[in-house]
Amino acid sequence: EAQVTQNPRYLITVTGKKLTVTCSQNMNHEYMSWYRQDPGLGLRQIYYSMNVEVTDKGDVPEGYKVSRKEKRNFPLILESPSPNQTSLYFCASGPGWGYGYTFGSGTRLTVV
Amino acid sequence: QQPVQSPQAVILREGEDAVINCSSSKALYSVHWYRQKHGEAPVFLMILLKGGEQKGHEKISASFNEKKQQSSLYLTASQLSYSGTYFCGAGGFGNEKLTFGTGTRLTIIP
Repeated sequence: EAQVTQNPRYLITVTGKKLTVTCSQNMNHEYMSWYRQDPGLGLRQIYYSMNVEVTDKGDVPEGYKVSRKEKRNFPLILESPSPNQTSLYFCASGPGWGYGYTFGSGTRLTVV
Repeated sequence: QQPVQSPQAVILREGEDAVINCSSSKALYSVHWYRQKHGEAPVFLMILLKGGEQKGHEKISASFNEKKQQSSLYLTASQLSYSGTYFCGAGGFGNEKLTFGTGTRLTIIP
């Protein structure tokens, strides 16, 4: 089944403790991206990647890191999480410009 | 800057038509439309590209006015399953920096 898999689905952590949210797709998509969703603000892009080793900032990249060492994986790293990063995070992938994206099921992160 | 969607929320009876608008302050090269049901991931509906090409859902139509930097999503003869929050995404050309609007909540009642 074609899908984007995110892990974990839920995560509660403490301020400053480094964490990684994984994202993997099995559709051989060139493009992958991370979004955060907050009430009233919609989906805001954090980082995106057009291909392996090619990443670029979205609208809200501060406090996040990404890497794209393999085509199928695009982990989101929070080196020192803070409470304002409490949010619902979505990973998405797509064939490239001009095509729609497939979203993962989401990761609900709480930083206390 | 995020695209502006209107209306923010709308309630319709089953069978009625709905129009959701998306307006961008930047030049548009592509417009994405997604629907998200409560507690679920967004699901792709349609993409419109500068130049007129459209790809997407059979029962949903949309328009793209390149000069006005606007797009509208048309839902005809709405069904209960159409309920959810609709997002438009404004894209540039050649990259995938996609900026979403804040959403339109559509509620269909029997």
